[in-house]
Amino acid sequence: GENVEQHPSTLSVQEGDSAVIKCTYSDSASNYFPWYKQELGKGPQLIIDIRSNVGEKKDQRIAVTLNKTAKHFSLHITETQPEDSAVYFCAAVEAAGNKLTFGGGTRVLVKP
Amino acid sequence: KAGVTQTPRYLIKTRGQQVTLSCSPISGHRSVSWYQQTPGQGLQFLFEYFSETQRNKGNFPGRFSGRQFSNSRSEMNVSTLELGDSALYLCASSPGTALTELFFGEGSRLTVL
Repeated sequence: GENVEQHPSTLSVQEGDSAVIKCTYSDSASNYFPWYKQELGKGPQLIIDIRSNVGEKKDQRIAVTLNKTAKHFSLHITETQPEDSAVYFCAAVEAAGNKLTFGGGTRVLVKP
Repeated sequence: KAGVTQTPRYLIKTRGQQVTLSCSPISGHRSVSWYQQTPGQGLQFLFEYFSETQRNKGNFPGRFSGRQFSNSRSEMNVSTLELGDSALYLCASSPGTALTELFFGEGSRLTVL
């Protein structure tokens, strides 16, 4: 089955700096890669996603890049703000079936 | 539009008991999936239902089961509870036919003593 690895597990950045989280996946058949943000006491919230036929997608301060050949994808947050502090999860959805595999999560702390 | 509603939010059980958790998806969403979240194992996929049919299941023992009703509401059941079943159980609904654009509830936190 699919295996998704996420790095780093924790990330501390100064407000205004950029944050980058990287994920690798094992199943070349996976074709959908979402990113979720989970704040304390809440369920994960979809913040951006990318499909396998696209190399990059941007939404305001957030961008995701995908390298299908290397089987890795990354989340980039620019001009970080304190409200960006949360746990971020990457995930991969297998094309063969409706099954979603999450990475281990990255706890991001933005210091004011 | 109301979000995904999970009940109960918190519950405490003892080993050997069973528990049923409920999930009401966003109106119009027919796909409902369940996840277990623990500090050690992270977020793990349990199963997914679409139009009352289980379409996929994660690597969990048979003690974990679920179902979906004709109104898309879903329940999951864990029998013969073990200490390791203590976790946050999250439900998500999706507007499409695949596990994309998931909308999560706030979860049911289960503690097994």
